[in-house]
Amino acid sequence: GQNIDQPTEMTATEGAIVQINCTYQTSGFNGLFWYQQHAGEAPTFLSYNVLDGLEEKGRFSSFLSRSKGYSYLLLKELQMKDSASYLCAVRLNAGNMLTFGGGTRLMVKP
Amino acid sequence: DSGVTQTPKHLITATGQRVTLRCSPRSGDLSVYWYQQSLDQGLQFLIQYYNGEERAKGNILERFSAQQFPDLHSELNLSSLELGDSALYFCASSVGVDIVYEQYFGPGTRLTVT
Repeated sequence: GQNIDQPTEMTATEGAIVQINCTYQTSGFNGLFWYQQHAGEAPTFLSYNVLDGLEEKGRFSSFLSRSKGYSYLLLKELQMKDSASYLCAVRLNAGNMLTFGGGTRLMVKP
Repeated sequence: DSGVTQTPKHLITATGQRVTLRCSPRSGDLSVYWYQQSLDQGLQFLIQYYNGEERAKGNILERFSAQQFPDLHSELNLSSLELGDSALYFCASSVGVDIVYEQYFGPGTRLTVT
């Protein structure tokens, strides 16, 4: 089977930095995606990594190590609106379908 | 607004019934994906279509079926509904499938089976 693991919940303070980890053991790998999802709403795309290293997009960065089956999402200068679930997803093959982890619910406190 | 539309937004029905969920992809997107999200299962991939043809199947029950029409909209049919089918059903679309393409998600249909 496919295993994608993330912490269930995290709490952080407004203005701080938080790192959300994701580890995966899958039968294939063709890229790793991060999505943000506010409660009851659609997931929205944040970033993806295909090669090892860091991708930076404004306050959000994502890192990938394929040899370790590991990724993280780094959120800087946290804002209250960043309170949401963050979903890690692996693209297994060329068909572009995604297998999602259970998501990490982030609570940002003042 | 992702450009993906889904109807209806909410659906309440009884066990044993059949429902149809509808999705229109973003303009220009050829691939449509269906996902189910329940509290205890997270976001699960159901099925994918590309330009009218079924492309990949995930954890889709035999009671569920889908199709993509020539105008590229898609429908997910759920039959013999059970309480456990209560969930958020999302449709997503992407331009293509053979390289890495971002998937854009619709607002979802919340299905409640009573």
